[in-house]
Amino acid sequence: EAQVTQNPRYLITVTGKKLTVTCSQNMNHEYMSWYRQDPGLGLRQIYYSMNVEVTDKGDVPEGYKVSRKEKRNFPLILESPSPNQTSLYFCASSLTGLGYEQYFGPGTRLTVT
Amino acid sequence: KQEVTQIPAALSVPEGENLVLNCSFTDSAIYNLQWFRQDPGKGLTSLLLIQSSQREQTSGRLNASLDKSSGRSTLYIAASQPGDSATYLCAVIGSGGSNYKLTFGKGTLLTVNP
Repeated sequence: EAQVTQNPRYLITVTGKKLTVTCSQNMNHEYMSWYRQDPGLGLRQIYYSMNVEVTDKGDVPEGYKVSRKEKRNFPLILESPSPNQTSLYFCASSLTGLGYEQYFGPGTRLTVT
Repeated sequence: KQEVTQIPAALSVPEGENLVLNCSFTDSAIYNLQWFRQDPGKGLTSLLLIQSSQREQTSGRLNASLDKSSGRSTLYIAASQPGDSATYLCAVIGSGGSNYKLTFGKGTLLTVNP
């Protein structure tokens, strides 16, 4: 089944403890991206990757890192999480990002205390 | 900076009614526009994708139109059903230079009452 998977689905952590949220797609898509969704603010793009060689910032990249070492995986890294990073996170992918629909993962609900 | 606005923020209709959701964007230099559906606590499901060169797309009871020059899109839902209740989001992807960012509106919360 073609899908985007994220792990973990739920995570509660403490301020400053490094964490990684994994994202994987099995559709051979070039474009992958991360979003956060907050009440009243909607979905905002954190980082996107056109392919394994190109990664760029979205609208809210501060406090996040990403890595695209292989096509299928695009992990989101929080080096030192803070409470303002408590949010619902989504990973998405598309064939190239420019003319094809985006497929979203199920989401990761992160709480930083 | 691209901004996407969706009106209304919430809409409640009786079952069977036809309805229109609106989406507007400030920068007409887009590659495409996509409509999504999001159920509470769930991920996003793609409904329709309209390329910048297209005027509309249809899927079942859904019809989406795009007027790129005026920065507007509409999602028409025919004969609404309670199962259509969800938040509907539109998103555009830019075409200016290296701008491949996806920008979302805040969504319209639709409730279809039996």
